[in-house]
Amino acid sequence: EAQVTQNPRYLITVTGKKLTVTCSQNMNHEYMSWYRQDPGLGLRQIYYSMNVEVTDKGDVPEGYKVSRKEKRNFPLILESPSPNQTSLYFCASSLVRDSSRGPAEQYFGPGTRLTVT
Amino acid sequence: EDQVTQSPEALRLQEGESSSLNCSYTVSGLRGLFWYRQDPGKGPEFLFTLYSAGEEKEKERLKATLTKKESFLHITAPKPEDSATYLCAVQRYSSASKIIFGSGTRLSIRP
Repeated sequence: EAQVTQNPRYLITVTGKKLTVTCSQNMNHEYMSWYRQDPGLGLRQIYYSMNVEVTDKGDVPEGYKVSRKEKRNFPLILESPSPNQTSLYFCASSLVRDSSRGPAEQYFGPGTRLTVT
Repeated sequence: EDQVTQSPEALRLQEGESSSLNCSYTVSGLRGLFWYRQDPGKGPEFLFTLYSAGEEKEKERLKATLTKKESFLHITAPKPEDSATYLCAVQRYSSASKIIFGSGTRLSIRP
């Protein structure tokens, strides 16, 4: 089954304790992206990747890191989480028609609900 | 500044009562506009992509249209299972890899 998986689905942690949220897709998609979703603010893009070893900042990258060492995986790293990073996080992947046109429609994972106390 | 605004924030309809959701955008050079459906506790699910003004796409009770300043998602004779949050997102020519989402319209259909 074609899918995007995220782990963990739920996470409660404390300020400053490094954490990683994993994301994996089995559709051989070039493009992957991370979003956070907060009430009233919609989905905001954190980082995206057009292909292996190619990553770039979205609109809200502060406090986050990513890496893309393999095509299927795109982990999100919070090196020193703070309470304002409490949110619902989504990973997504997409085909890229050509590099100038960017991603096509995106396929989203089930979400990771993160609480930082 | 590039912006995507969806209205209304929430909409309650009776089953069978048709209506439209609006997505207005101010971006420098629209490459594409996407509509997604999101059910509670789940990730968004793709519905449509529109690329040029005048374009229309349909799927069951949903029809999406696009003008130079906004997109509409028309819902005809909705059913309770159409209840969800509907999100629109835009893609710019200048930075096609970045996607900007609106905050969504929460649609509720009463039986």
